[in-house]
Amino acid sequence: DAKTTQPPSMDCAEGRAANLPCNHSTISGNEYVYWYRQIHSQGPQYIIHGLKNNETNEMASLIITEDRKSSTLILPHATLRDTAVYYCIVRVAGTYKYIFGTGTRLKVLA
Amino acid sequence: DGGITQSPKYLFRKEGQNVTLSCEQNLNHDAMYWYRQDPGQGLRLIYYSQIVNDFQKGDIAEGYSVSREKKESFPLTVTSAQKNPTAFYLCASRDTTGELFFGEGSRLTVL
Repeated sequence: DAKTTQPPSMDCAEGRAANLPCNHSTISGNEYVYWYRQIHSQGPQYIIHGLKNNETNEMASLIITEDRKSSTLILPHATLRDTAVYYCIVRVAGTYKYIFGTGTRLKVLA
Repeated sequence: DGGITQSPKYLFRKEGQNVTLSCEQNLNHDAMYWYRQDPGQGLRLIYYSQIVNDFQKGDIAEGYSVSREKKESFPLTVTSAQKNPTAFYLCASRDTTGELFFGEGSRLTVL
């Protein structure tokens, strides 16, 4: 099964950029990378997704390496409300299974 | 508003009892999912369904059952065979781009 690897925790100062890495070295050529975040005891919230090119929306930017084996989610100006667990997920090739790892617990510090 | 509705939000059950968690969506999505989350852990896939009357086991299906008789509904039954049922359960549906839409979850506690 496709797996993603993320650091268990990170801290970021309020107002600074938060850069969250993800390794997905087993990703298939036509599979997207998705990022979600989960605030305590709520359902995960979609942030962004991408295939090959870098992507940007109102919430974040996604940088995908050329070999597609890793990606970085960037929150350009982190706020206290961005404190959450961030998950990078990929779909298992040939199926519709989406496997979540343990994610990165981001704490934004005042 | 369109979305995923899970009920109940909190549920208590005695050991040996079956319990059914409801998940309804009005997003017209074909695919639906059930995940389990334990404290401090990530989400683990229980079952998923790509279309009405069809579903597949995820990574931790033992002790659980599902049905998909209607597009809008994907209920999960936690049976007495599930050894450690106390957990947070999340339901999701998937759109055609692959984005998952989650409900607010159901927290089951076995007394």
